[in-house]
Amino acid sequence: DIVMTQSPDSLAVSLGERATINCKSSQSLLESSNNNNYLAWYQQKPGQPPKLLIKWASNRDSGVPDRFSGSASGTDFTLTISHLQAEDVAVYYCQQYYSNPPFTFGQGTKLEIK
Amino acid sequence: EVQLLESGGGLVQPGGSLRLSCAASGFTFSSYAMNWVRQAPGKGLEWVSTISVSGVNTYYADSVKGRFTISRDNSKNTIYLQMNSLRAEDTAVYYCAKCGAAYGVRAAGDFWGQGTLVTVSS
Repeated sequence: DIVMTQSPDSLAVSLGERATINCKSSQSLLESSNNNNYLAWYQQKPGQPPKLLIKWASNRDSGVPDRFSGSASGTDFTLTISHLQAEDVAVYYCQQYYSNPPFTFGQGTKLEIK
Repeated sequence: EVQLLESGGGLVQPGGSLRLSCAASGFTFSSYAMNWVRQAPGKGLEWVSTISVSGVNTYYADSVKGRFTISRDNSKNTIYLQMNSLRAEDTAVYYCAKCGAAYGVRAAGDFWGQGTLVTVSS
């Protein structure tokens, strides 16, 4: 199974600053036939279900603010939140959907305000 | 508007059974694979199971294989998770999630239900 490892486990960032969350996969998630990385990022606020932010490593889902962005370099993936706002406090998860299931998640990164 | 409504959770003794349901609306249900994902109290997300659009192809996490069965009824826009031989470690909120791409299973979950809590305890 593909293992997803996020870093850091928790992060405190000042309002208006940039937050960066990393996710590393144990193998490539890149499909050469379509040049897509099969990776998603989710945001989960307390007491709520996860919300899809980013799919295909760098495509924002509909309605997601453009301060959220995703990037990929080999087996390393990054979620960047520019100009952090108070409502961005949440736990963020990456998930791979490269191969047939299991579609493994990272362990999560808790983002707080400094 | 896409809506997913889970039901069927509750308190069950170890070794017992429970059947969860997820009723879907707001999209062409028969064109999308569906997932179950769970979250133990205070823990992260764990993918549990996926079912293809026709229901022919099903997939399970090793932790539930042989004990859980996913199914769907496209005439009722509903998926199910039959959970047998339940253990304390199955205690979690169970979410259903819609696959974000039609017909395939390899897609992010673009819509999620609010979840239903399953507690396995004596």
